[in-house]
Amino acid sequence: DQQVKQNSPSLSVQEGRISILNCDYTNSMFDYFLWYKKYPAEGPTFLISISSIKDKNEDGRFTVFLNKSAKHLSLHIVPSQPGDSAVYFCAAEGAQKLVFGQGTRLTINP
Amino acid sequence: ETGVTQTPRHLVMGMTNKKSLKCEQHLGHNAMYWYKQSAKKPLELMFVYSLEERVENNSVPSRFSPECPNSSHLFLHLHTLQPEDSALYLCASSQGGKYTEAFFGQGTRLTVV
Repeated sequence: DQQVKQNSPSLSVQEGRISILNCDYTNSMFDYFLWYKKYPAEGPTFLISISSIKDKNEDGRFTVFLNKSAKHLSLHIVPSQPGDSAVYFCAAEGAQKLVFGQGTRLTINP
Repeated sequence: ETGVTQTPRHLVMGMTNKKSLKCEQHLGHNAMYWYKQSAKKPLELMFVYSLEERVENNSVPSRFSPECPNSSHLFLHLHTLQPEDSALYLCASSQGGKYTEAFFGQGTRLTVV
């Protein structure tokens, strides 16, 4: 039973455009959501998070949106840069659990 | 450099070997985690230690045995593994268990032959 799902295994976006990565969850106990970025041969690094009491959190080029009724969150990167090419994991925390999605590989094309 | 160091970075072992993975964190965190990253699968939480006590064991086979001698060190002892155990094993640490962001090590790439 996969509680956190990233249905797109890969996404390709042109440099300068907006990248939108999506994540769905099933467990209503989750109340804190995080995005991690992972380069090859490195561990995931924390990118941005959002609490369930908010519906938007912005940090520079990165914005996370949370739709609690749909149990859906998304990460927007604008403008996309070549260095943003990586695998992005969403994660959900609640009831002393931290559950990750399977990741989306983002490729930014020049 | 995230402040979480894992050794070795790569490990090849036979199915009858015994080996250990080591994780060390220099962040003063009080919770440490082992995760398994298999190809094309979600990151799987294996074990959680909080204040050096194991608080979670996610149905991990007994051939994986964790040890947390103090708040800065975490080990994963491996014994009679199977080829399907080949994966990237990630250690992470955090301060507290809720509303905090975990810091990950670079992982140990394990291959069981």
